[in-house]
Amino acid sequence: QKEVEQNSGPLSVPEGAIASLNCTYSDRVSQSFFWYRQYSGKSPELIMSIYSNGDKEDGRFTAQLNKASQYVSLLIRDSQPSDSATYLCAVIPGTASKLTFGTGTRLQVTL
Amino acid sequence: DAGVIQSPRHEVTEMGQEVTLRCKPISGHDYLFWYRQTMMRGLELLIYFNNNVPIDDSGMPEDRFSAKMPNASFSTLKIQPSEPRDSAVYFCASSLNTPREQYFGPGTRLTVT
Repeated sequence: QKEVEQNSGPLSVPEGAIASLNCTYSDRVSQSFFWYRQYSGKSPELIMSIYSNGDKEDGRFTAQLNKASQYVSLLIRDSQPSDSATYLCAVIPGTASKLTFGTGTRLQVTL
Repeated sequence: DAGVIQSPRHEVTEMGQEVTLRCKPISGHDYLFWYRQTMMRGLELLIYFNNNVPIDDSGMPEDRFSAKMPNASFSTLKIQPSEPRDSAVYFCASSLNTPREQYFGPGTRLTVT
C-alpha cells in the first residue's frame, strides 16, 4: 500500500461547479497534511495546509481532514479554467520530518 | 522575496558527464530539500538539510548522487557520472523552522543523452 494515494484522473468539471479531490494515507499517526497545485511545466505551489480534523476554508478552497478514516480532501468552489492543474496531496507521516507526496490528480475545468 | 532560486533551468548533457545543480533557498529558511520528479515515479525526496546539516539522504538513488550545503544560502546536487535514467526535473524547496510548509524553486530540467 502506498503511503499517500490519489486518483490520477483526469477529473473533469464544468466551469462554476465544485471540484472534489480526494487523498488517502496509510500512516494512522500522521499529523500534517498539505495540498499543492502544479501547473504543467511549473513547480508545485502550496495552496492549503490542515492539521486538525474538520474543515479549513481559504477563499474558494476548502480542505477537509478525517483522521479516523485517514483521508483528506480538497474542494474547489466555483471552479475556473485557471484551476486546471495537477493537485498533489502531501503528508508528513508519523514522527517523520519530511513530506511524502501522492502522485497527483489532474483537474480539468471545462468551459 | 525572490523565492527559491535554481540554476541552471535546463541542462542537457551526455552520459558519463558530471552535472551540478544549484539552489539558493529563501533567505532565513533553515530547511532545504532536493526532489526529483518523473512521470513514472512522481515527486521523490532525495535529501534534506536542516541548518546546513544533511538530515536524511535515504532517497538518494545511489553513490553517483551527492549533495552539499556549505552555507545557509547555497546548496548543490551533483551527479557523477550521469546516466540517461537520471533525466528528470529536479526541484529544490525550502521552509522555515519546520519541514511543513515548503516553497519550491522553478526546477532544473535535466536531460542525459
